[in-house]
Amino acid sequence: GENVEQHPSTLSVQEGDSAVIKCTYSDSASNYFPWYKQELGKGPQLIIDIRSNVGEKKDQRIAVTLNKTAKHFSLHITETQPEDSAVYFCAAGLGRDDKIIFGKGTRLHILP
Amino acid sequence: GAVVSQHPSWVICKSGTSVKIECRSLDFQATTMFWYRQFPKQSLMLMATSNEGSKATYEQGVEKDKFLINHASLTLSTLTVTSAHPEDSSFYICSATSGNQPQHFGDGTRLSIL
Repeated sequence: GENVEQHPSTLSVQEGDSAVIKCTYSDSASNYFPWYKQELGKGPQLIIDIRSNVGEKKDQRIAVTLNKTAKHFSLHITETQPEDSAVYFCAAGLGRDDKIIFGKGTRLHILP
Repeated sequence: GAVVSQHPSWVICKSGTSVKIECRSLDFQATTMFWYRQFPKQSLMLMATSNEGSKATYEQGVEKDKFLINHASLTLSTLTVTSAHPEDSSFYICSATSGNQPQHFGDGTRLSIL
């Protein structure tokens, strides 16, 4: 089955700087890669997703890149703000309405 | 955006009792719902996939007689933890999807078994 590795487990960046979180996956059949943000005591919220026919996707300060050959994808957050502090999870699966397997999460701290 | 509601948000009960958790999609018809379990500071572990009108598909290692899942309508799925014990204490989260929609998650249910 699918296995998703996520690094780093903890990341601290200065407010205004960029943050990068990286994930790798094992199943070459996976075609769908969402990223979720989870705040304390809440469920995960989708922040961006990408399908395997696209190499890069951007939404304001958030961008995701995908290298299907190498089986890795990354989340980039630019101009970080205090409200970006949270736990971020990457995931991989066959499609939007199929099951997805989560990485172990990255705790992002934005330092004032 | 799509909203998924989970109830209750927090429940405390005695060992040996059964607990039912509800997951509702409020503004769309969810053909598929997923149930996850999350321990403190850990990732979400998929427990089962639930399609409306059919039996749930459980992940390896998840006891189907322990965690009963019912998906009776396109807007409601329930998870019942039967004969709960302290080791079942966890954060249970559901998600819902329909067709080409991404999974939308509820805010979870914190279950504490005394």
